[in-house]
Amino acid sequence: NAGVTQTPKFQVLKTGQSMTLQCAQDMNHNSMYWYRQDPGMGLRLIYYSASEGTTDKGEVPNGYNVSRLNKREFSLRLESAAPSQTSVYFCASSGLRDEKLFFGSGTQLSVL
Amino acid sequence: TQLLEQSPQFLSIQEGENLTVYCNSSSVFSSLQWYRQEPGEGPVLLVTVVTGGEVKKLKRLTFQFGDARKDSSLHITAAQTGDTGLYLCAGEVTGASGSRLTFGEGTQLTVNP
Repeated sequence: NAGVTQTPKFQVLKTGQSMTLQCAQDMNHNSMYWYRQDPGMGLRLIYYSASEGTTDKGEVPNGYNVSRLNKREFSLRLESAAPSQTSVYFCASSGLRDEKLFFGSGTQLSVL
Repeated sequence: TQLLEQSPQFLSIQEGENLTVYCNSSSVFSSLQWYRQEPGEGPVLLVTVVTGGEVKKLKRLTFQFGDARKDSSLHITAAQTGDTGLYLCAGEVTGASGSRLTFGEGTQLTVNP
């Protein structure tokens, strides 16, 4: 009964370092999403994947890349981390695009 | 500029009190979702409203969708400490390029014993 699993839970990077956030869901959902959450800004969509094999930019895609590895997994990559990318990142999935979203527990990322 | 404005941003009340949280926009939504988020966790869906004027009840929580589908409210009766959390509304806008879900910035509710 795992739902949406994100790793890691916490990460500290230096400016310019790269890293990949992993996300997997076991609900056979078609759509997956990456959001970032910042104080006073709500949740902002970075990238989404409406179905396996497709990815699209969201509201704030600059500085990020994604890979929909298969139906279960959707990863988010920061190629050259910047302090402005310090945030809490959430992965989510849904059966259909933008219907009920199931969220992971988040990754707290700090870029120094 | 936020597409969805939530108010108040912060709310601190005593256990047993009633409260209302608002979610407003100038856009028309095809549906609106309310989520609750606890510290260190992701948001969890509480309810989805679809029809203008719709009212949904979930125990002590009452959700209303405005007649014009531009606004929504969440009313909690006799708040409990377990209601503490961040309440987020998310509106779905459907356009030529498909649908888009936009989140408000949230209302941080603290219920004190």
